[in-house]
Amino acid sequence: NAGVMQNPRHLVRRRGQEARLRCSPMKGHSHVYWYRQLPEEGLKFMVYLQKENIIDESGMPKERFSAEFPKEGPSILRIQQVVRGDSAAYFCASSPPSGQAGGIYGYTFGSGTRLTVV
Amino acid sequence: AQKVTQAQTEISVVEKEDVTLDCVYETRDTTYYLFWYKQPPSGELVFLIRRNSFDEQNEISGRYSWNFQKSTSSFNFTITASQVVDSAVYFCALSEESTGANNLFFGTGTRLTVIP
Repeated sequence: NAGVMQNPRHLVRRRGQEARLRCSPMKGHSHVYWYRQLPEEGLKFMVYLQKENIIDESGMPKERFSAEFPKEGPSILRIQQVVRGDSAAYFCASSPPSGQAGGIYGYTFGSGTRLTVV
Repeated sequence: AQKVTQAQTEISVVEKEDVTLDCVYETRDTTYYLFWYKQPPSGELVFLIRRNSFDEQNEISGRYSWNFQKSTSSFNFTITASQVVDSAVYFCALSEESTGANNLFFGTGTRLTVIP
């Protein structure tokens, strides 16, 4: 029973390029959450998605960042025209639908993608 | 305002010493959840514990114990007889029912170094 899979594990991009980070939730999980961890800081919530729906994007930067969770395939966090300040670890978590086992009760984090912008 | 405060940025202890990591939280919700996560040097997040606001019983799991005090809004974490493998960054986090209990507010972490 694979956990939350994130890839790539490490990603290097030059300033101005696009970064695509993938997250495959655990089997049976239909909710996905993205967090960003800047160097020497805690994680900060970015966005919460269900299949084909963005539920809460209150933590997403207004420009250059977007997220999707299509009906088929992994969730994608996309960062356009990356800048040095985007260098961080990006974590994805997944959970079952809300309820006793859902939401924060069923939260499972992936191992993260470390993005370095050079 | 910071919802979760971990005032200790870094702590160093000698192996076999006990160490307590402090966590103070702030919320207006009556229903909320508190967490501790461990982030070892490899970088992944390891879930340690989740407590809800109605369960103030302290918990012990092996060398780990947690002290939840609603009166002081604290959820402190103690490691007894520390080991080198305990060296990591430890994060305290809060989830609030009023925001759907779907996202976590993390503290800035405490870096624990256990010296052999």
